[in-house]
Amino acid sequence: DAKTTQPNSMESNEEEPVHLPCNHSTISGTDYIHWYRQLPSQGPEYVIHGLTSNVNNRMASLAIAEDRKSSTLILHRATLRDAAVYYCILSRANSGYALNFGKGTSLLVTP
Amino acid sequence: GAVVSQHPSWVICKSGTSVKIECRSLDFQATTMFWYRQFPKQSLMLMATSNEGSKATYEQGVEKDKFLINHASLTLSTLTVTSAHPEDSSFYICSATLQSEAFFGQGTRLTVV
Repeated sequence: DAKTTQPNSMESNEEEPVHLPCNHSTISGTDYIHWYRQLPSQGPEYVIHGLTSNVNNRMASLAIAEDRKSSTLILHRATLRDAAVYYCILSRANSGYALNFGKGTSLLVTP
Repeated sequence: GAVVSQHPSWVICKSGTSVKIECRSLDFQATTMFWYRQFPKQSLMLMATSNEGSKATYEQGVEKDKFLINHASLTLSTLTVTSAHPEDSSFYICSATLQSEAFFGQGTRLTVV
């Protein structure tokens, strides 16, 4: 499976935008880019996913580079409840969406 | 969104006993479910793929005789940790996929004493 690289941790102030980067230079044409987040002692929660075009939903936006070798998860206004570990994961449809989690980025949001 | 429910949320068992964890998709059918394990301060590790009506597929290094998986219906997969030992203490999480989105259970904290 193609690998992703994320910073170990990031910090943001409450109500400010947060840009979480992810590098995936070995991405293949059929890999989807998924973002999940995990709060302590909980199962992961879906955030957003995309293939080539930028995506928006109620939680976040996903900006995908034109060459698809990197992407950025954008939280438009961070809240304290957004403090979590954010995972950027590549997955192919024929894998049934089994997800290989890396270490993710631990986001700290300060008031 | 879809809901995946795991039971129990936590369990404490004695060393040598077996523990069963249930994973249910509440409002959709899932022919495939996934089981993960997460040790403290580590990421999730895929253990196995549970296939309805057929044998599970285990990741390398996961003992299939120790972690028994049964996917008897389209909404239920079970993971049984047999002859549990303290090193099996971990956070076990299941997931099911619906329309390109993986839905996770809330996890089961297993402590073997």
